[in-house]
Amino acid sequence: EAQVTQNPRYLITVTGKKLTVTCSQNMNHEYMSWYRQDPGLGLRQIYYSMNVEVTDKGDVPEGYKVSRKEKRNFPLILESPSPNQTSLYFCAIADRATDTQYFGPGTRLTVL
Amino acid sequence: GDSVTQMEGPVTLSEEAFLTINCTYTATGYPSLFWYVQYPGEGLQLLLKATKADDKGSNKGFEATYRKETTSFHLEKGSVQVSDSAVYFCALSHQTGANNLFFGTGTRLTVIP
Repeated sequence: EAQVTQNPRYLITVTGKKLTVTCSQNMNHEYMSWYRQDPGLGLRQIYYSMNVEVTDKGDVPEGYKVSRKEKRNFPLILESPSPNQTSLYFCAIADRATDTQYFGPGTRLTVL
Repeated sequence: GDSVTQMEGPVTLSEEAFLTINCTYTATGYPSLFWYVQYPGEGLQLLLKATKADDKGSNKGFEATYRKETTSFHLEKGSVQVSDSAVYFCALSHQTGANNLFFGTGTRLTVIP
């Protein structure tokens, strides 16, 4: 079964200090994406990637960057984090064969 | 644009009670519909799905029927257990492979013994 790994699981940082949240998959799925989860708002897509070197904005991309240099990894980069980016972040992959997205365990980020 | 509306929680039920969590959607065409579940401290897991009108998705005693005429995909379970306590998300997608999911806000269910 597809597995998605995220690191770190918990992170407390300060405004303006660059950080990266890693995401990796154990399969060879082309599609990967990042979501943030906030109370009362559900999950909203930040960025997605259809394949290596192919990325595009989701619904809430401001303040985030991503890269897809290899198929297995899809890191989320916050160049200058701000308190409004305090959230729970999920990485996901899409399995076309089963028409299903698989989610990582989540990264809880607090920006002070 | 596409959107999903879920009944607001939290929902608290006694064990063995009947569960319904309402979900309606707005979308053009024929989206695929999903229910995801998030147990405490975990990521989201697919609970069930339906890809065309009148399809019924089912898993672990949960069911939901894709109703095109009422644009609904309500989640039901005949007898809930304490272990069903979680947050439930309704979602839709237009693309093959569930590439772009639109989520509802989630409904927290607590089942008490």
